[in-house]
Amino acid sequence: DSGVTQTPKHLITATGQRVTLRCSPRSGDLSVYWYQQSLDQGLQFLIQYYNGEERAKGNILERFSAQQFPDLHSELNLSSLELGDSALYFCASSVLVGISTDTQYFGPGTRLTVL
Amino acid sequence: AQRVTQPEKLLSVFKGAPVELKCNYSYSGSPELFWYVQYSRQRLQLLLRHISRESIKGFTADLNKGETSFHLKKPFAQEEDSAMYYCALSGRGGSYIPTFGRGTSLIVHP
Repeated sequence: DSGVTQTPKHLITATGQRVTLRCSPRSGDLSVYWYQQSLDQGLQFLIQYYNGEERAKGNILERFSAQQFPDLHSELNLSSLELGDSALYFCASSVLVGISTDTQYFGPGTRLTVL
Repeated sequence: AQRVTQPEKLLSVFKGAPVELKCNYSYSGSPELFWYVQYSRQRLQLLLRHISRESIKGFTADLNKGETSFHLKKPFAQEEDSAMYYCALSGRGGSYIPTFGRGTSLIVHP
């Protein structure tokens, strides 16, 4: 078990709504990454946090935001949800930032379904 | 821009056959390449990375900078190798944004 936890496992909501996905990194890991995996898509990097600060941004929509709290858990907020936001959202954590060989440890994912 | 291409969505082989999962990349700098694997009902996990030059579960991958490839190989596939495999790239130094390929589903038949 990698130790990264994500809640909830499944989330079903309606268009226009707002949801919050939560991630707790492995003990000792300071970096948290968020990814989106849609049908037929690979893992799309959304955003990275290190010790509470945003460090890198990927293909994250303006309707989405994230933050990392002092206890290092992170939340991904998705608002004004659209059907196309239905996807599997993964969180990963790693020890360090900026060292590209740093191994990422993935959580089990949250499956979001927007109806 | 960095890009990772895995040309095969699905690769189907019989047990004992050689396996090669292809990965090509595009990156202007010095890349770090990884293979991640996701077995059924399990999390995505690191399989190997090119700087380690190691063999994990019989799999190896060599970085070919001339052909910009990082193909994953195993001489004799096992049924337990059936999984989704993702090739990933990150840039060495500075701020890096990891890029994953779309993945190749490997099915090993008995």
